[in-house]
Amino acid sequence: KNEVEQSPQNLTAQEGEFITINCSYSVGISALHWLQQHPGGGIVSLFMLSSGKKKHGRLIATINIQEKHSSLHITASHPRDSAVYICAVLMDSNYQLIWGAGTKLIIKP
Amino acid sequence: NAGVTQTPKFQVLKTGQSMTLQCAQDMNHEYMSWYRQDPGMGLRLIHYSVGAGITDQGEVPNGYNVSRSTTEDFPLRLLSAAPSQTSVYFCASSVDRGGGYTFGSGTRLTVV
Repeated sequence: KNEVEQSPQNLTAQEGEFITINCSYSVGISALHWLQQHPGGGIVSLFMLSSGKKKHGRLIATINIQEKHSSLHITASHPRDSAVYICAVLMDSNYQLIWGAGTKLIIKP
Repeated sequence: NAGVTQTPKFQVLKTGQSMTLQCAQDMNHEYMSWYRQDPGMGLRLIHYSVGAGITDQGEVPNGYNVSRSTTEDFPLRLLSAAPSQTSVYFCASSVDRGGGYTFGSGTRLTVV
């Protein structure tokens, strides 16, 4: 069983829809990262959070430490949001990052 | 622009050849790391460094060597390339292991 599971693996939606990507983990963590990888391959850090909720523009990330679960939401989705979204957790035991396999998001105009 | 510079972007090697992937950052980050990304899998840590002169192995270190003689540079050496090392390689840096990461643009390596 993977220590970090993302769902769904693939998601196709229409422009304007509200998007939710989920990340569940099974280890104790000190922080959780959400990153975005564009079709060109570059990886950009979106959020790092250890509790509660963070918002940047149309992106919102939440984490529930007790349930070992995080969600990334995109409001008013746009084709330029099409990318792979990756969740990674920083283990509190050894400070290693454990990576999810990513969620491929396609937003159709 | 400040960031992580990774070269080359593409490389084709023959089995048994050696090469060095370069990674440089100008943000004075202490922590640098190398990952490989394979289809359907999360990024896997190859080697990392918490500061100049200090390196350690990650999850998949076999076949790779690193050194950290300066804060800025963290090259990754493939000692004798194998087809199993065909992958996309990313270098990343951060202030410390728990901080936000800045990634290089990646190197797509094919070993034939």
